[in-house]
Order: sequence, then C-alpha cells, then structure tokens
Amino acid sequence: RKEVEQDPGPFNVPEGATVAFNCTYSNSASQSFFWYRQDCRKEPKLLMSVYSSGNEDGRFTAQLNRASQYISLLIRDSKLSDSATYLCAVNFPTMRFGAGTRLTVKP
Amino acid sequence: DAGVTQSPTHLIKTRGQQVTLRCSPKSGHDTVSWYQQALGQGPQFIFQYYEEEERQRGNFPDRFSGHQFPNYSSELNVNALLLGDSALYLCASSGGQGVWETQYFGPGTRLLVL
Repeated sequence: RKEVEQDPGPFNVPEGATVAFNCTYSNSASQSFFWYRQDCRKEPKLLMSVYSSGNEDGRFTAQLNRASQYISLLIRDSKLSDSATYLCAVNFPTMRFGAGTRLTVKP
Repeated sequence: DAGVTQSPTHLIKTRGQQVTLRCSPKSGHDTVSWYQQALGQGPQFIFQYYEEEERQRGNFPDRFSGHQFPNYSSELNVNALLLGDSALYLCASSGGQGVWETQYFGPGTRLLVL
C-alpha cells in the first residue's frame, strides 16, 4: 500500500458541478495535512491546510477523518480556472505527496 | 514580498556530470526543503535544511547532497547524474519552529540528463 494515495482521476466535469477528491494515508501518527494545486509545468501552490475540525475557503472545503485516515477536498460551483492537478500532502514525519488527481472543468 | 526563487530554470546535463541547483527562500522563512518531481508523479521529499543543518532526509542516495547558507538560501548538489535524475526539482520554504510548517514552493528547476 502506498503511503499517500489519491483518486486516480482524471475528473472531467462541467462548469458549475461539485467535485470531491479523497486522499488516504497510512501513517496514523501524521500531524499535518495539506491540499496543493499544480498547473501544468508549474510549481504546486498551497490551496489549503486541513484542520481536524474541517475548514472552508470560499468554494473549497477540506475535511480530515483521522479514524479512517483520509482527507477530502470538495469544490463547489466549479470554474474553468479550477482545471489543474490537485495534490494532497501528509507529514510522515517526512512530507509525502500523493500522485495527484487531474481535474478538467469544461464549458 | 519576494516569494521562493530558484535558479537556473532549465538545465541539460549528460550522464556522470554533477549539477548544483540554488534556492532562495521566501522572506522571513528559515527552512528549506527540496523535492524531486518526475513526470506524472507527486513531489518526492529529498531533504530539509534548518539552521544550516540537514534536519530530515528522504529515501535518496548520497549522490544527493545539500547545503544551507547563513542567509537561509540553499543548494542542492547531485553527483554522477543518471538518466533517471531527469525531473523537476522543487524547493519549498517554510518558517516557524515546527518541522512541517506550511511550505511554499519555488518555480522549480527542470533538469534533463542525456
């Protein structure tokens, strides 16, 4: 089992759709969790840190389920500009990234 | 507020050569981490530097070494390059006392080994 696993994707959705990504991790001692967005041939950009109580930033909602060892990202009202690869990251104690899930939002 | 900067942006080397990549952290950050990202994969942690010392290391061979300077900038050195070292090398900086404070990435150096 990989240490951090993400939905394989790709996800192709119409504008305005709601889409959810999941990410599972294997080390129950992990303390920090993040979602990054990466555009083609660019660096990852921090989207959100993920807190135990869950957190929301506009159209984006992140949740953490420690018991089941997964984090999720929900994007509501998808925009064309949301098209990117979404990476989850978990500290391990070294930082581990998933392989990413590609999202394409279509008109 | 200057973000993380890296140089060079692109590099072409041949097998067996050595390469040095450079990173300047975001203003106010004192910790630098290096990652290797192969095509279609997530970033793989190489090592992290704090107070000029290697604080953590991922599963990379000794051919990969680094350094942090008093101004917090950092270098990644790779010796005896292999074709498989071709990748995007990312530097990320963070601040604060925790080992895994939120990290911000630079634009990366794209290395091609022929």
